[in-house]
Amino acid sequence: NAGVTQTPKFQVLKTGQSMTLQCAQDMNHEYMSWYRQDPGMGLRLIHYSVGAGITDQGEVPNGYNVSRSTTEDFPLRLLLAAPSQTSVYFCASSPRERGNTGELFFGEGSRLTVL
Amino acid sequence: AQSVAQPEDQVNVAEGNPLTVKCTYSVSGNPYLFWYVQYPNRGLQFLLKYITGDNLVKGSYGFEAEFNKSQTSFHLKKPSALVSDSALYFCAVRGPGAGSYQLTFGKGTKLSVIP
Repeated sequence: NAGVTQTPKFQVLKTGQSMTLQCAQDMNHEYMSWYRQDPGMGLRLIHYSVGAGITDQGEVPNGYNVSRSTTEDFPLRLLLAAPSQTSVYFCASSPRERGNTGELFFGEGSRLTVL
Repeated sequence: AQSVAQPEDQVNVAEGNPLTVKCTYSVSGNPYLFWYVQYPNRGLQFLLKYITGDNLVKGSYGFEAEFNKSQTSFHLKKPSALVSDSALYFCAVRGPGAGSYQLTFGKGTKLSVIP
């Protein structure tokens, strides 16, 4: 089972460049979300989606865009990368029937460095 | 607003000894509480959850957690630690009626089990 797949696993950008982190899940989950993980700060929610065509902001949305055109895919876009966006990014999904119990399925992460 | 505190950045325990990883929370209403584990260079994995019912919750890999409403705590425990339990542990909370994407994570506690 593939589960939640994130690409790329590693990326180095220069300040001002743009890129997209890809996230795909093959479990037909309605809920998808993006988190960033920074040392000593745990996981912070960037954006989330409750279904295709529906997205909303989390705790730290500035500098990031998302879209959800299909159930399977939830890409995260950095339009003008900044060193403060150096982090490890995790995509997570959850089925609606478990939506009220909070069990999330995580990808293995994408490590981004912005120089 | 909801919040989680994990007061210990690191916990060291000898193999075979019992372990406890502490978590306290703040949320309006009855909480939904979770523990996740992260092994090096991997995504987070769900361990266990408390929604309602028995205050002692059993989860994966022999872990359990005790919900204490009066102390607003949800400590993770295991009777006998294994070296393979060494990982980063995250406590998470959300309020009733919120979606799974509205989890708030603690900063994480690094557990080191010493052979």
